[in-house]
Parts: sequence; C-alpha cells; structure tokens
Amino acid sequence: DTGVSQDPRHKITKRGQNVTFRCDPISEHNRLYWYRQTLGQGPEFLTYFQNEAQLEKSRLLSDRFSAERPKGSFSTLEIQRTEQGDSAMYLCASSFDGEETQYFGPGTRLLVL
Amino acid sequence: AQSVTQPDIHITVSEGASLELRCNYSYGATPYLFWYVQSPGQGLQLLLKYFSGDTLVQGIKGFEAEFKRSQSSFNLRKPSVHWSDAAEYFCAVGNNFNKFYFGSGTKLNVKP
Repeated sequence: DTGVSQDPRHKITKRGQNVTFRCDPISEHNRLYWYRQTLGQGPEFLTYFQNEAQLEKSRLLSDRFSAERPKGSFSTLEIQRTEQGDSAMYLCASSFDGEETQYFGPGTRLLVL
Repeated sequence: AQSVTQPDIHITVSEGASLELRCNYSYGATPYLFWYVQSPGQGLQLLLKYFSGDTLVQGIKGFEAEFKRSQSSFNLRKPSVHWSDAAEYFCAVGNNFNKFYFGSGTKLNVKP
C-alpha cells in the first residue's frame, strides 16, 4: 500500500463553480479526516468519518461543503458555488481505529479565480 | 480551549548546526503530541509522536522531541541539521482518535 492518495492534486476553477475532491485512505483504515490549510497556516479540521458515518463537522464546513464516504472506503469532498476564500490546500488523512496517528495524503490545491 | 503555539515563524540555521523548534500546547486532557514535516506543495509526513512513557521520543531523520508537562511544551530537536531538512514543521495535539489541532508552523531554512 502506498499511503493516502488524493485526486486531483491541483484544481483551478472559476468562482461559482462546483468542485469535487476524492480521497483514498490507507487500506483497512476505518477513520478518515479532512483538513483545510491556507497559506502560512497549519491545517484546520473540517470533518471526520468512522467507516461511513460522519461523526463530527467543524463550523468551518459551511452549507456549501459536503463530504461523503458511502461505503466506508474512499471519501469525496464537494464544494458548491465556490468562492475565492475557498482557495486552499485540502488535506485528507486516515487512521486505524485504536491508533492515534493520522497519515496524510499529498493534498489537493484549489485555486478559485 | 485546545490550541498549539509555535512561536517561531521562520528559523535559519547553518548546515551542521543544532536545531530546536518550539511548541507549546493548551489541552484539557492528557494530550497526544505529534510533529509533522511538510515540504513545499506536499502533504504532511509524521516525524515522531508522544503518547505516554519516556518523555524523550526519537523519530525519523535523526529528530527527537521532549515532552515537558510542567511547561506544556513539546520541542523538536536535531543535533546536526542537513540541507534536506529545509521544510515547514508543524506541531499537533490530539486525543481520543479525533481531530488534531495544529500550530501555524515553523519554516526552517538551512544555510550552506
């Protein structure tokens, strides 16, 4: 297994468009996390899943954001009606239940014009 | 409220010199502490972690960190820095397998 993967790695979109990102966690990791990282800052928690259940969402996750993990494997993060303030690196991480360490993917860098 | 402070935004050291990156945390429960490193445009790589036991923990790439409960600190150290260590370093705190709280990072430059 090569670790957490994310697709795409880069996305440029125009304001008002919808975008969707995908995250494939490490096999058998049942916990999956999404973070957002803006320039010059550390990652900020958005949401996390245990299997297919979304257990917590940050206040950062406005109504325009939705995340799913339908079969408890890969996850998608969709942003509707993108705004320039959504420009950031979106990071996905996974962990195994009972292990505290989160393993991060390479991220998807979003630029909203 | 939970928070992590990394007081140094940028640090420059000469290659071969020692390094210490500071991290202070505020957490209501017993924390799990982590250091991650991020190269430009890349994700985060785990350097080391502390859960319990020996307060001096060893990590990859020759890094170590010391947990000091009385000072709420978890500083990262390396005795001799290599040019390839230039990157951004993040301290994080977490518990109960839930979300992590990250500091704002310290950018390390290494002079030849």
